[in-house]
Amino acid sequence: AQRVTQPEKLLSVFKGAPVELKCNYSYSGSPELFWYVQYSRQRLQLLLRHISRESIKGFTADLNKGETSFHLKKPFAQEEDSAMYYCALRPRGYQKVTFGIGTKLQVIP
Amino acid sequence: ETGVTQSPTHLIKTRGQQVTLRCSSQSGHNTVSWYQQALGQGPQFIFQYYREEENGRGNFPPRFSGLQFPNYSSELNVNALELDDSALYLCASSATGQGLGNEQFFGPGTRLTVL
Repeated sequence: AQRVTQPEKLLSVFKGAPVELKCNYSYSGSPELFWYVQYSRQRLQLLLRHISRESIKGFTADLNKGETSFHLKKPFAQEEDSAMYYCALRPRGYQKVTFGIGTKLQVIP
Repeated sequence: ETGVTQSPTHLIKTRGQQVTLRCSSQSGHNTVSWYQQALGQGPQFIFQYYREEENGRGNFPPRFSGLQFPNYSSELNVNALELDDSALYLCASSATGQGLGNEQFFGPGTRLTVL
């Protein structure tokens, strides 16, 4: 069985401070990991995936297989980063995507 | 290029009734996935349709069923509604097998309330 844990329901940081949204997963095989974001009154959208190794809107995430983590990081938070962030896992070769409960990021001006 | 659309936006049903939710996939996409998102929770995978066939299913009972049509639009049907079926139902489309990374594009959702 696969599971995604986001331990913080709410994370408040000041503008300009570093951000780290935590995500831990449980899966015995080879997973694909994703971060999705939902801004206020907008649709859920893909932010980044681990296989792309990209930086999107200043965010990065590294898959740590030893710690089974995929934390989302940004060195300097901006007010427009305030949103709901979901970590998600899909086993390679399968269709079922498992989402975490989500973390609400609140950037204080 | 049009995005994923869902209808209706919201609806109210009573226990025991049946409901059909609709999803039009984004242009060029051949795969549709359905998710249930209860209040305060992340989306939960219901099932996926690819080329009109169910292509993966989550832990949902058989009273949750679906269809995909030749134009790749899709329906989610729920029979014998229960109070716990109250949730936001999300549809996501993607382009499987076309080397495009299978990125899912989500619709705005249908809010179902069961009384």
